[in-house]
Amino acid sequence: DAKTTQPNSMESNEEEPVHLPCNHSTISGTDYIHWYRQLPSQGPEYVIHGLTSNVNNRMASLAIAEDRKSSTLILHRATLRDAAVYYCILRDVIGGGADGLTFGKGTHLIIQP
Amino acid sequence: EPEVTQTPSHQVTQMGQEVILRCVPISNHLYFYWYRQILGQKVEFLVSFYNNEISEKSEIFDDQFSVERPDGSNFTLKIRSTKLEDSAMYFCASSEKLYTDTQYFGPGTRLTVL
Repeated sequence: DAKTTQPNSMESNEEEPVHLPCNHSTISGTDYIHWYRQLPSQGPEYVIHGLTSNVNNRMASLAIAEDRKSSTLILHRATLRDAAVYYCILRDVIGGGADGLTFGKGTHLIIQP
Repeated sequence: EPEVTQTPSHQVTQMGQEVILRCVPISNHLYFYWYRQILGQKVEFLVSFYNNEISEKSEIFDDQFSVERPDGSNFTLKIRSTKLEDSAMYFCASSEKLYTDTQYFGPGTRLTVL
């Protein structure tokens, strides 16, 4: 899977929007962009995924750049419960999905009350 | 909402002993995975399993590891002869399909090898 680059940490205030960036300049046309998060002492949790178009769900929005070389996870109104490590992961459809997710170090999101 | 469950939550064992970590994936899911996370490090893929056989495995998944789906609900990871460096959180995950589908993770089993 292609490599992603994320900031090590970000800080935000409660009830404010948070924009978590991810760079994936070597993304291929068949790579889906997935976001997972890991709350303290828990297993990873799916957040959202997309291919080309922006996506929304109840947890977050995913904004994908037109050239697909970067994406941004948007938490519209952060709560203390959103404090977690956020992982941006590419999944190649053609390469097969059975090889598991490749987690990087992710972005440690700190939420201030 | 359906969830992946894992037992035990914490396992302590002596070096050289065999351990079996158990997982119950979500009932209609067909693809199963094990990952591990050494304290303070990244989550690492170990193995994926589909149709009663291993689909893919990482370099970490050597001969001391094995996986099994002994019945219609459980999915197990066996470590034959534990080493100190096997101490980690082990996460089970399952998904309904491959590729774009979401992987649902369990809460993990903390394995401590003394």
